[in-house]
Formats: sequence, structure tokens, C-alpha cells
Amino acid sequence: GAVVSQHPSWVICKSGTSVKIECRSLDFQATTMFWYRQFPKQSLMLMATSNEGSKATYEQGVEKDKFLINHASLTLSTLTVTSAHPEDSSFYICSARPSGGYEQYFGPGTRLTVT
Amino acid sequence: AQSVTQPDIHITVSEGASLELRCNYSYGATPYLFWYVQSPGQGLQLLLKYFSGDTLVQGIKGFEAEFKRSQSSFNLRKPSVHWSDAAEYFCAVVRGTGGFKTIFGAGTRLFVKA
Repeated sequence: GAVVSQHPSWVICKSGTSVKIECRSLDFQATTMFWYRQFPKQSLMLMATSNEGSKATYEQGVEKDKFLINHASLTLSTLTVTSAHPEDSSFYICSARPSGGYEQYFGPGTRLTVT
Repeated sequence: AQSVTQPDIHITVSEGASLELRCNYSYGATPYLFWYVQSPGQGLQLLLKYFSGDTLVQGIKGFEAEFKRSQSSFNLRKPSVHWSDAAEYFCAVVRGTGGFKTIFGAGTRLFVKA
């Protein structure tokens, strides 16, 4: 149980285009989902907290107009990287917190490369 | 400010040897504590968690962790390491306020030698 999927697992896009990453909780409902960015050999950096049916809360320094987050249902959150640039290349990981719980379950991550 | 410290950036142990990964936290109240493991190019997998009660918690893959309030520690242990345990390990704390954000330690990379 407690499986979170991410799609796509890797994507290559050209500079200036937009990319959408999906995060789904497959066997539980998640009121809250999180989006992280991870640089090589570093810990996770929280980008934003996504709550179902409301606007996402972004961490300081994260551009909300560049990283659009939508949490349309209790099992789906999406992250759209708009007008991507090479510096946006990174490993993006989502996680989902079961309703009423404190632990997080993580997706397998999405490797984004912007050329 | 709340923080999580993993003092060891990397640790090397021999296969079959015991393992202890250290984690210290700074938090005013009893936190919710977690250990996660990340294999290369993968997401994080929850190993175990502590909320309250018995201070020695058992997790998956033969791991256990002990909460010691007096030392503000939550060290991860395994009696006999397998080569497949080589990975990055993250200790994490959930704050009880401010949206229950998770604060991660910097991680400890475990290398296992034959």
C-alpha cells in the first residue's frame, strides 16, 4: 500500500517550452502533496506544499509563476515548469501525505533536462 | 529554528557488519521522526517512524531506530548490513505546527564493501 506514482520518469525539453509532471497517490487519498527539487548528492529542497482544492504554498525563493502547481483531486497533483531554462534541469520528487497522517510517501522522481 | 543533523556525510561498512546512522534534531516539543532511504535515481522510501510510545521502533528491511529524548537523537541501526543496503539515508522531522512540514537532514551515504 501507500504507492505514489510520478509521470514522466524523465523528460527532455527545449528551452522556453513548458513541462507538466503528474503525481498520483494510487491507493490512498492525500489532502496534502509536496513538491521537492533535488540536486546531485544533496538533500531534498521543498518547493511547495499543495493542498487539495486550494492554492499551493510556495517556499521562499520559489517562483510561483514559473512552477505552477495544481491539486485538483485527492489523488492528483501536477507541477508545470513554465518557460523552462537549462538551470531548471533537476530531479523533481513529489510526495503525498495520507489524510490524517504525518508520514509522506514519495514518488520515484522525474529527471528533467532542459536543452 | 527546527533542524535535523546527520553528522556523517558518508559511512562505509563491511557486508555482514552492524550499522548505526546518527540523527540529532532540534525541536521544542516531541517531534514526529522518520527515516527514509533513497536508492540512486529513485524517490524516497519510508523505513520507519516514531510518533509516541515505545522508543525502539522496528521498520522494514531489518532496520530499527531508537528515540532518545535526553540526547535529542533518533539513530538508525541494523545488526547485519547487506550489499543492497547501499543507498542514501535521510532522517526527517515533522513539525507539529506550521503546516506539518517535514524537515530533512542532509543525508548519509552508506557504502557497503564486500
